[in-house]
Amino acid sequence: KAGVTQTPRYLIKTRGQQVTLSCSPISGHRSVSWYQQTPGQGLQFLFEYFSETQRNKGNFPGRFSGRQFSNSRSEMNVSTLELGDSALYLCASSFGGSVAKNIQYFGAGTRLSVL
Amino acid sequence: AQKVTQAQTEISVVEKEDVTLDCVYETRDTTYYLFWYKQPPSGELVFLIRRNSFDEQNEISGRYSWNFQKSTSSFNFTITASQVVDSAVYFCALSEETSGSRLTFGEGTQLTVNP
Repeated sequence: KAGVTQTPRYLIKTRGQQVTLSCSPISGHRSVSWYQQTPGQGLQFLFEYFSETQRNKGNFPGRFSGRQFSNSRSEMNVSTLELGDSALYLCASSFGGSVAKNIQYFGAGTRLSVL
Repeated sequence: AQKVTQAQTEISVVEKEDVTLDCVYETRDTTYYLFWYKQPPSGELVFLIRRNSFDEQNEISGRYSWNFQKSTSSFNFTITASQVVDSAVYFCALSEETSGSRLTFGEGTQLTVNP
């Protein structure tokens, strides 16, 4: 059974540009969550989607947005990139909705560098 | 608000030594879940274990064991007879019933096992 797949693995952008990251969850999983990992702030929750609806949102500015498609695949978009957006972006999938007991399975991440 | 603290930033041991990773958490919820994840250099977070707030029974799985104590809000993780392949960053995480599947992570502990 394939794991969580994130594309691309690496991305280099310049300030002011926008970027879209993609995540394909484990087959059968309907919930997708996104996390940002930086050396300074650690791992922080961005948002969660379940059945194409955002169910949970972290404390990030509106430049960070996402969506989920009917096949549970998810995309995350960051507009007007800033240097501080350089990070490893991790996607996680789980079976159910926004339920605390869910085990989240993570992809290998997309490493975004903003120059 | 929820918080997870991993006071040990880095631990270095020699192969075959036992090592314990500490985790202390804060939450106001009575129902919550605790997790340990491992992050090798490849970047993917690998799920290791989940515990709920009502189950303080400690567990041993192969070389891994966990010690959950609600009285001290701790959820420590021990590797017995460590191996070089155990070298990774280990994260403790918390999810609360009132916050859905959002994971709050600790800062992580870098474990290096030297041959």
